Amino acid sequence: AQSVTQLDSQVPVFEEAPVKLRCNYSSSVSVYLFWYVQYPNQGLQLLLKYLSGSTLVKGINGFEAEFNKSQTSFHLRKPSVHISDTAEYFCAAAPDSGTYKYIFGTGTRLKVLA
Amino acid sequence: DAGVTQSPTHLIKTRGQQVTLRCSPISGHKSVSWYQQVLGQGPQFIFQYYEKEERGRGNFPDRFSARQFPNYSSELNVNALLLGDSALYLCASSLQHGGLYGYTFGSGTRLTVV
Repeated sequence: AQSVTQLDSQVPVFEEAPVKLRCNYSSSVSVYLFWYVQYPNQGLQLLLKYLSGSTLVKGINGFEAEFNKSQTSFHLRKPSVHISDTAEYFCAAAPDSGTYKYIFGTGTRLKVLA
Repeated sequence: DAGVTQSPTHLIKTRGQQVTLRCSPISGHKSVSWYQQVLGQGPQFIFQYYEKEERGRGNFPDRFSARQFPNYSSELNVNALLLGDSALYLCASSLQHGGLYGYTFGSGTRLTVV
């Protein structure tokens, strides 16, 4: 069965410090990978996606992620966070046999401290 | 341009009742998906509709049903509500059948069953 694991439920980090949010997936088929952000009382906003090609993917708001097939990981990074980045971050995978059905991780709450 | 709109934003129902949630996709988007997000969890796939036909169903009981109208808007119905149905219900739309290029999510309907 396919699954997405986000090992860190909460990540506190000081403003202007770098951050890394971890995501690992398990799948017997090829998958496409996504990171979404959810601000309080809002829906999910797409940060970035990996479909194919370069393993380093750049997204909005200065975020980037690196796809590592051998480690089945898709970790999200930002070199310098802002208070406004405080939110819940979800990693998701969509199997190429059914890209309509996203499998989400349980989320990582990023708390940026002043 | 209007994003994905969902109504109502909040809803309180009693166990055993029935509820209908509504979703209007982004103009031009023909695919609508529904996800359930229980507090503290990632979204779980419920249904996907494309061109008014069901194209995918998640692991939810038959109490859950949905449909898509000619204007591509959609309704999610839940019968015989249980306390465990309390969640944020998210609607997502995309141009094509699959979510390969990412879904656009609405802000959700928060359903509380008492």
